[in-house]
Amino acid sequence: KAGVTQTPRYLIKTRGQQVTLSCSPISGHRSVSWYQQTPGQGLQFLFEYFSETQRNKGNFPGRFSGRQFSNSRSEMNVSTLELGDSALYLCASSPFTGPRRNEQFFGPGTRLTVL
Amino acid sequence: AQKITQTQPGMFVQEKEAVTLDCTYDTSDPSYGLFWYKQPSSGEMIFLIYQGSYDQQNATEGRYSLNFQKARKSANLVISASQLGDSAMYFCAMRPPGSTGNQFYFGTGTSLTVIP
Repeated sequence: KAGVTQTPRYLIKTRGQQVTLSCSPISGHRSVSWYQQTPGQGLQFLFEYFSETQRNKGNFPGRFSGRQFSNSRSEMNVSTLELGDSALYLCASSPFTGPRRNEQFFGPGTRLTVL
Repeated sequence: AQKITQTQPGMFVQEKEAVTLDCTYDTSDPSYGLFWYKQPSSGEMIFLIYQGSYDQQNATEGRYSLNFQKARKSANLVISASQLGDSAMYFCAMRPPGSTGNQFYFGTGTSLTVIP
């Protein structure tokens, strides 16, 4: 089975722009979560989608949004980028059933740099 | 709010030796899940081990074991027979009590360096 894929891997934007990141989960996984990782704040949960519905949301401003499609692929969008949005954005998928239901499988991440 | 604490920013271990990475957590709920992840320099998070709060035995996965002390609210990761490839960041994480989702809270991580 192919792992979690994220595109693009690297992205450079300027302040005020918006960006869309994409995540394709492992086939059969219906739960997709997004995390932001920065040196200062560490790993922080953004949101989780399950069957096209946002199930959980972290403490981030409304500029951060996401969605999930019927094939479980997910996108996250950040509008009006700020310098502090520079981070590694990680996507993770979970089978939610079966012997590995407690695991999250992470993608390689998208490294976003805001100039 | 749930809190995960990893007090060792950096650790060194000799190759083939065992090492313990500390993790304490704070929750008042009896039901929760604890996880350890490894993050090599490539950035990808790799699942290592899981411990449920009601599990009677400490979890083990190959060279990884979790020293779960519920009363002390600690979930230390033990890596036996360290290998050079074990050099990475290690994160302890908790799934919130009663959560059916994948909203994880992560500690700040411990950087492990294995010395040949």
